[in-house]
Amino acid sequence: AQTVTQSQPEMSVQEAETVTLSCTYDTSESDYYLFWYKQPPSRQMILVIRQEAYKQQNATENRFSVNFQKAAKSFSLKISDSQLGDAAMYFCAYRSAGGSNYQLIWGAGTKLIIKP
Amino acid sequence: NAGVMQNPRHLVRRRGQEARLRCSPMKGHSHVYWYRQLPEEGLKFMVYLQKENIIDESGMPKERFSAEFPKEGPSILRIQQVVRGDSAAYFCASSPGGKAAYEQYFGPGTRLTVT
Repeated sequence: AQTVTQSQPEMSVQEAETVTLSCTYDTSESDYYLFWYKQPPSRQMILVIRQEAYKQQNATENRFSVNFQKAAKSFSLKISDSQLGDAAMYFCAYRSAGGSNYQLIWGAGTKLIIKP
Repeated sequence: NAGVMQNPRHLVRRRGQEARLRCSPMKGHSHVYWYRQLPEEGLKFMVYLQKENIIDESGMPKERFSAEFPKEGPSILRIQQVVRGDSAAYFCASSPGGKAAYEQYFGPGTRLTVT
C-alpha cells in the first residue's frame, strides 16, 4: 500500500524569504501523480501544484515549485517570496495513475507560519 | 461554473442521531469522493462513487456509514447513530471522467460535531 510522510509538523519563515516543505512517499508503482494542497483557516482545500511521475521536469506555479526526486521518492515544495497569505496547513498527496480508484492518499500535513 | 458545494457547513448532532451530509459536484463531473479529516490529521479516503454506483468503499466503516450518488441530485453521506468519534470535517471532492480524472476539486467541507 502507498504511504505519504510529511516529517515537519510545523515550519516558520520570515515574510519574503524562501521555505521548503518536505514530503516522501512509498509506492511500488511507476506511474502516479503527486500533489500539494493548501488548507487555510477557512479549511477549504486548495490545489497548489501537481506533478506527473512520468515527467522529469519539476512543476512550477508562480512562487511555488517542486523538487521531484523519483528515485528517492521525494517531493518537496518550495515557496519563494513568502507572503502572509501563504500561512496555512500544507498537505502532500499521492494518487495512482492506473487501476480504477483514484483516491488521494495524504500526508499528515505541515503547518506553515509566516513571520511578518 | 460553480465549484463543489457541500451543505450544511456545520452540523451538530447528539449521540444516537443521524447525520446527512450533502455534496453537489461541479457541473459536468460524474465522480465523487468523500474524505474525513480528524483534528490535526490529514484526510482519509472513505468512499468513491460514480453516478448510481459505489466504486470503492474500502475506507468507510462497515457499520453506520453509507453513501449514495443518485442519478439526479447530490451525493449523500449518511451516518446513523452518531458517536463522539464521528466528530470531524468531511470533505467531498469531484472530478470529471477520462484523462482529466486525476484532478479532484474540493468542497468547503462539513464540520460535524457530536455532543
